[in-house]
Amino acid sequence: DQQVKQNSPSLSVQEGRISILNCDYTNSMFDYFLWYKKYPAEGPTFLISISSIKDKNEDGRFTVFLNKSAKHLSLHIVPSQPGDSAVYFCAARLTGNQFYFGTGTSLTVIP
Amino acid sequence: KAGVTQTPRYLIKTRGQQVTLSCSPISGHRSVSWYQQTPGQGLQFLFEYFSETQRNKGNFPGRFSGRQFSNSRSEMNVSTLELGDSALYLCASSLTGTVNSPLHFGNGTRLTVT
Repeated sequence: DQQVKQNSPSLSVQEGRISILNCDYTNSMFDYFLWYKKYPAEGPTFLISISSIKDKNEDGRFTVFLNKSAKHLSLHIVPSQPGDSAVYFCAARLTGNQFYFGTGTSLTVIP
Repeated sequence: KAGVTQTPRYLIKTRGQQVTLSCSPISGHRSVSWYQQTPGQGLQFLFEYFSETQRNKGNFPGRFSGRQFSNSRSEMNVSTLELGDSALYLCASSLTGTVNSPLHFGNGTRLTVT
């Protein structure tokens, strides 16, 4: 039962444009949401997070939006850079420290 | 500050054998979690340890077990290996596990079962 879903396995964007990665979840008890970036042969690297009591969090080029009524999370990267090319995972926390991850979206930023 | 360290990086085992993976968390982090990553399945939660106690457990069979030591280092054991256990096993640590503290991952152990 996939409680966190990333329905787009891949995304291609031109350098300088906006990248929008989407994530949907089913469990309204999730209280903390995160985005991770992963390069091949490395572990996921934490990017940005948002508490369920907020609807937006910004960190430099990265902004995460949370729409609780739609159970939808998105990550905006502006402007996109070639170094942003990686697999992006969204994650949501349930009780304690148990996180549920999406299956990832592979982002390619074209120079 | 040193990151999460996992050893070994690669392992090849045969069916029926057992394996032990090791994880050293970031200094000061008391929560250690283990995840299995397979193609198409994303990261699946195995279990979480905090202060040497298993606090959460995912939906994996009892062949998967773990423990945490007093210095917060953790080990994961898989007994009676099956071909389907081939995966990347990721360890992650976090500060306390009760506030909004992100997981910090190691580079994983790639296990291949033949």
